[in-house]
Amino acid sequence: DSGVTQTPKHLITATGQRVTLRCSPRSGDLSVYWYQQSLDQGLQFLIQYYNGEERAKGNILERFSAQQFPDLHSELNLSSLELGDSALYFCASSASGSYNEQFFGPGTRLTVL
Amino acid sequence: GEDVEQSLFLSVREGDSSVINCTYTDSSSTYLYWYKQEPGAGLQLLTYIFSNMDMKQDQRLTVLLNKKDKHLSLRIADTQTGDSAIYFCAEREDSSYKLIFGSGTRLLVRP
Repeated sequence: DSGVTQTPKHLITATGQRVTLRCSPRSGDLSVYWYQQSLDQGLQFLIQYYNGEERAKGNILERFSAQQFPDLHSELNLSSLELGDSALYFCASSASGSYNEQFFGPGTRLTVL
Repeated sequence: GEDVEQSLFLSVREGDSSVINCTYTDSSSTYLYWYKQEPGAGLQLLTYIFSNMDMKQDQRLTVLLNKKDKHLSLRIADTQTGDSAIYFCAEREDSSYKLIFGSGTRLLVRP
C-alpha cells in the first residue's frame, strides 16, 4: 500500500459526459501528479500540482483540468468524454525535496462507451 | 526530445536471472527509476539510481547505469514466478520533476 488513495476504482460512462477523479496523497506530501495509461499511448504525464499551485503540464487535453485543494487532495476533471479517453488514470504524490520519489495510487479505470 | 525505450517482452525460467534493458535520451536526468506493475494493479517503485552512480544493488535487484550510452538495466537474480509483471523504466525531467516512462517490458517467468 503506497498510501495514495484514488476514487473511484472503476468508472463507466458515456461519450460526451463529464467525470471527476479524486486523489488523496500520502500524508505530508505536497506534490500530486496525474498520469494516463492507455494501450496506444503508454504511460503519459498529464499535470503536476505542488501545494495547490500548478507546477508542470504535460500532454493534457484542453477538455481535462485538475486542481489541488487546501487539504492537498486533488481532482482531475474530464469533460466531453470520447471513446479514446478510456484509460487507467494514476495519481502519484511526493514530498518536497530533491529526491522526489513518486508513490503511485492504485488508479481509476475509466471506460467510455 | 523525450523518449525512453524498452524491449517489449522477456521470458525466463524460474531461478534464472532476468535482465531488462532501457535507453533514455535526457542526459540531464538526475534520477532514473524502475517501477513494477502487476496485472490490475498500480505502479510499485522498485528502485532508483542517481545519475552519478554506475551501479546500485538492493537484495535481488541490481541496477546498472551507463551514462555515456544512456543505457539503464535492471537485473533480477533468482527470478521467481511472482516477479512476472510489467517493468517500466522512467527518467525524471529535472525542470518539472515529471516522470517519462518507457513502454514497459513484460516479464514472464516460466516454472
